Amino acid sequence: NAGVTQTPKFQVLKTGQSMTLQCAQDMNHEYMSWYRQDPGMGLRLIHYSVGAGITDQGEVPNGYNVSRSTTEDFPLRLLSAAPSQTSVYFCASSYGQGARETQYFGPGTRLLVL
Amino acid sequence: AQSVSQHNHHVILSEAASLELGCNYSYGGTVNLFWYVQYPGQHLQLLLKYFSGDPLVKGIKGFEAEFIKSKFSFNLRKPSVQWSDTAEYFCAVNDSTDSSYKLIFGSGTRLLVRP
Repeated sequence: NAGVTQTPKFQVLKTGQSMTLQCAQDMNHEYMSWYRQDPGMGLRLIHYSVGAGITDQGEVPNGYNVSRSTTEDFPLRLLSAAPSQTSVYFCASSYGQGARETQYFGPGTRLLVL
Repeated sequence: AQSVSQHNHHVILSEAASLELGCNYSYGGTVNLFWYVQYPGQHLQLLLKYFSGDPLVKGIKGFEAEFIKSKFSFNLRKPSVQWSDTAEYFCAVNDSTDSSYKLIFGSGTRLLVRP
């Protein structure tokens, strides 16, 4: 199993550009989520999905859209990039929804918005 | 609201030194506690977790953590660090009744182990 994969690994955008961060998992996990990691702060939840066709907002959803058309894929879209979205983005998945479930993380996408 | 504090942002140790990384959380209910590690260039992976029972939990690679309920703490320890332990360590917590993805993370501690 490849686990959780993310592309690209690194991206530079100009303010106002849009892009999609890709996330895929091959573990047949129902639950997927996106976090951002900023210096001096822990990971913060952006959006999450409890299954194909079902998504919801996390702690910091503004400026991001998600969709979940398949169990495997959970892309994150930046509609109009802003410098405040410069961050490292992590996708994660888990088999179950329970609080004790282990989250499996991808390697991250480092985004720089100029 | 829940919060997690990791007071040591950067720690530098020599090989064979003992390690203790602090983690304190703020929450009045029943929590689950986690330590994740991120090695350079790699993804976050779970080191260990605590749900209930014995407050001393053992994880991978010789790490352990002790849950002290009265102090709202879940400190990570390792008796003798190796150069390969150089990484960033994150403490995380969630409400025991909440969902797996609703983790609250601390800001992380960067550990550098000198050979």
